[in-house]
Amino acid sequence: QQQVKQSPQSLIVQKGGISIINCAYENTAFDYFPWYQQFPGKGPALLIAIRPDVSEKKEGRFTISFNKSAKQFSLHIMDSQPGDSATYFCAASMYSSYKLIFGSGTRLLVRP
Amino acid sequence: KAGVTQTPRYLIKTRGQQVTLSCSPISGHRSVSWYQQTPGQGLQFLFEYFSETQRNKGNFPGRFSGRQFSNSRSEMNVSTLELGDSALYLCASSSKTSGASDTQYFGPGTRLTVL
Repeated sequence: QQQVKQSPQSLIVQKGGISIINCAYENTAFDYFPWYQQFPGKGPALLIAIRPDVSEKKEGRFTISFNKSAKQFSLHIMDSQPGDSATYFCAASMYSSYKLIFGSGTRLLVRP
Repeated sequence: KAGVTQTPRYLIKTRGQQVTLSCSPISGHRSVSWYQQTPGQGLQFLFEYFSETQRNKGNFPGRFSGRQFSNSRSEMNVSTLELGDSALYLCASSSKTSGASDTQYFGPGTRLTVL
């Protein structure tokens, strides 16, 4: 019940295309859902996060869509750029906890 | 502001040895969390410290321990190293006290290799 399932494992997108990464969770006590971006040799960096009281949050080219009833959330990267090539992790936690439960990661490659 | 710093960046040890990793949080941050990252298990939470107190612990054996000092710097220790402990160990710091929704800033990690 603590797991966060992430798909796909890898994704190849052409420059300018839309990248979509999906995550699903079981624990209904989760109430904070961040996405992290990690480049080789670096630690993960927070990209965007959402609470379950909203269904969508947009920051620049990055959008989180949240479906509370389906217990799913997804990251959409619009106008994908080669510089977006990285590994993306979804995560979940309970507001009262500092413990982030991470998905397994998606390796995104954006071709020029 | 300087980011989260971790030392050393790379470490090679042999089975049975012990190791201590260090983390300096962003100035003013009082919460420090540790995560283990491996290709097989992904990112897994180890523990979290705030004001020198461990507030949360992941599902790792007792060989993994940590502590936090009064200046918020943190160390984690792994005793009796096993081959499976080879991983990237990440430290993250956070400024507020209201829970995980506060942004956690990760350091670059310490790459531990156990031979």
